[in-house]
Amino acid sequence: DGGITQSPKYLFRKEGQNVTLSCEQNLNHDAMYWYRQDPGQGLRLIYYSQIVNDFQKGDIAEGYSVSREKKESFPLTVTSAQKNPTAFYLCASSIGPFGGELFFGEGSRLTVL
Amino acid sequence: AQTVTQSQPEMSVQEAETVTLSCTYDTSENNYYLFWYKQPPSRQMILVIRQEAYKQQNATENRFSVNFQKAAKSFSLKISDSQLGDTAMYFCASDSNNLFFGTGTRLTVIP
Repeated sequence: DGGITQSPKYLFRKEGQNVTLSCEQNLNHDAMYWYRQDPGQGLRLIYYSQIVNDFQKGDIAEGYSVSREKKESFPLTVTSAQKNPTAFYLCASSIGPFGGELFFGEGSRLTVL
Repeated sequence: AQTVTQSQPEMSVQEAETVTLSCTYDTSENNYYLFWYKQPPSRQMILVIRQEAYKQQNATENRFSVNFQKAAKSFSLKISDSQLGDTAMYFCASDSNNLFFGTGTRLTVIP
């Protein structure tokens, strides 16, 4: 089935450690996104990529990094510079960057111990 | 600046009844899109309905319909004949070259 796969579903990290969240899609979509979801704050955009080897910062990019080496993959690294990383992270993709439906993964819950 | 406001953090409705979720937005663009997304307890977010701003006709998808008031920048979602499976967080979103989400409304359908 076509869709977006995020892994791991749950992740625990010690303070000071980097961690990478995986996002893979087989929908042949050009655009991919990472959102952070906190209670009462909706979804906030971390990074997005409209094409392979190109990505742009979103509203809350500090402390995060991404890569887009393949069309299917858009991993997110939460670095030790992110001051409050405990959150629910959602990856999404769309055919194009404007006006289209977003398809979401099931999310990754990161907890910093 | 683009903003999306959902003023109802929580709502409830009896099964088979109708409920309306409110959303207002602000954008300076003339060309934009509006969305309602549903996030059930399983957490995978899915699209409920999409509206193109240049279309005056309100979008409908089965039991889901919107009331799009462009001048008032209002985009409410009406759910008719509510079902238990409609229990979820509902997010309104506006896309005028950047997609912005509201803070969500938690809807509970009561049997």
